[in-house]
Amino acid sequence: QQQVKQSPQSLIVQKGGISIINCAYENTAFDYFPWYQQFPGKGPALLIAIRPDVSEKKEGRFTISFNKSAKQFSLHIMDSQPGDSATYFCAASSDYKLSFGAGTTVTVRA
Amino acid sequence: DGGITQSPKYLFRKEGQNVTLSCEQNLNHDAMYWYRQDPGQGLRLIYYSQIVNDFQKGDIAEGYSVSREKKESFPLTVTSAQKNPTAFYLCATQSDGGRKTQYFGPGTRLLVL
Repeated sequence: QQQVKQSPQSLIVQKGGISIINCAYENTAFDYFPWYQQFPGKGPALLIAIRPDVSEKKEGRFTISFNKSAKQFSLHIMDSQPGDSATYFCAASSDYKLSFGAGTTVTVRA
Repeated sequence: DGGITQSPKYLFRKEGQNVTLSCEQNLNHDAMYWYRQDPGQGLRLIYYSQIVNDFQKGDIAEGYSVSREKKESFPLTVTSAQKNPTAFYLCATQSDGGRKTQYFGPGTRLLVL
């Protein structure tokens, strides 16, 4: 039973376009929501994270939008670049454990 | 050079064999984790340890064992009871305090001969 549902499974975007990845959760005990970026054969790296008392957080070209009432959050990648081609995972934390979404593979076409 | 190291990068297991994956960290983090990654399934938690000499089962602990004798080290043994061990194994640590950020090592890919 996956506690965090992530969509889409994959997406293709043109260079300069916007990539949007959505996640939903049910457990209201979650209190920290990070996003990870993973390149093939490498470990995931923290990209950006948000707490539920904030509705939006922006770091460079990456923005998290958070809707606490709907229990949904999303990652927007603005001005997508070929170097952004990777798999992105959303996650949700309670206590000492992270629950991960299934991942979204993003391909940016030059 | 700070961080998390995992070894080996690739590991081959024969039928009926136990193998041990190494994870070492010099971040001085108390909590350490082992995840298994299969294509299309994200990361699944195998075991975690919040403090030395203590660890808890995660969601898929069957067929695996761990120990935590030192703060810096959290080795994972894949036993012969794990019938489908082929996967990418990731070790992580969690920073202390309120941020709850987990940092991942480079991973070990386990293949069955």
